Amino acid sequence: RKEVEQDPGPFNVPEGATVAFNCTYSNSASQSFFWYRQDCRKEPKLLMSVYSSGNEDGRFTAQLNRASQYISLLIRDSKLSDSATYLCVVPGDSQAGTALIFGKGTTLSVSS
Amino acid sequence: ETGVTQTPRHLVMGMTNKKSLKCEQHLGHNAMYWYKQSAKKPLELMFVYSLEERVENNSVPSRFSPECPNSSHLFLHLHTLQPEDSALYLCASSQDWGGALSEKLFFGSGTQLSVL
Repeated sequence: RKEVEQDPGPFNVPEGATVAFNCTYSNSASQSFFWYRQDCRKEPKLLMSVYSSGNEDGRFTAQLNRASQYISLLIRDSKLSDSATYLCVVPGDSQAGTALIFGKGTTLSVSS
Repeated sequence: ETGVTQTPRHLVMGMTNKKSLKCEQHLGHNAMYWYKQSAKKPLELMFVYSLEERVENNSVPSRFSPECPNSSHLFLHLHTLQPEDSALYLCASSQDWGGALSEKLFFGSGTQLSVL
């Protein structure tokens, strides 16, 4: 299994739709997980952190399934402004000198 | 407004040129990073500095040379690059290196590099 694997998409959805992305990871020892958002030609920005079973922030819900080693990001009532690439991020072993590991990203396009 | 500033935003250079990318962070962080982002690939970590000391170097070719004169500034010196080095180069910082404090990165807006 790759360290971090995401479905690249693109996911094309209409406004108001609910969409979910999955991400699988290989390091079973990972304790925290992150979703970053990257707009076209811009830098990644932290969207959500997940430290236990899940996290909810408005229309966004991140869930963690440790047994199956995947995390998901659910976006409800999609807005045009949600169009971006969503990066799944898992910590490496910083004690051994490994920084965050990024997935390739899942591209979302929300249309009117 | 980002607390991490990168210059230049765009750079076009020939394979024999020497150029430098500059990054400055205004967040009081102790760790700084260089990442490379190529099309259809995940972000690749190039270098990590913690308190001005290099702590990670991910087998990056010697034509890329980092410099960290203090905890607020980071440079990436480029020389004799190849066309396949064309990519978006992102600088980032985190509060510290190691453990939870290195898990939240703040990125600069990047330098889009084209090597001809």
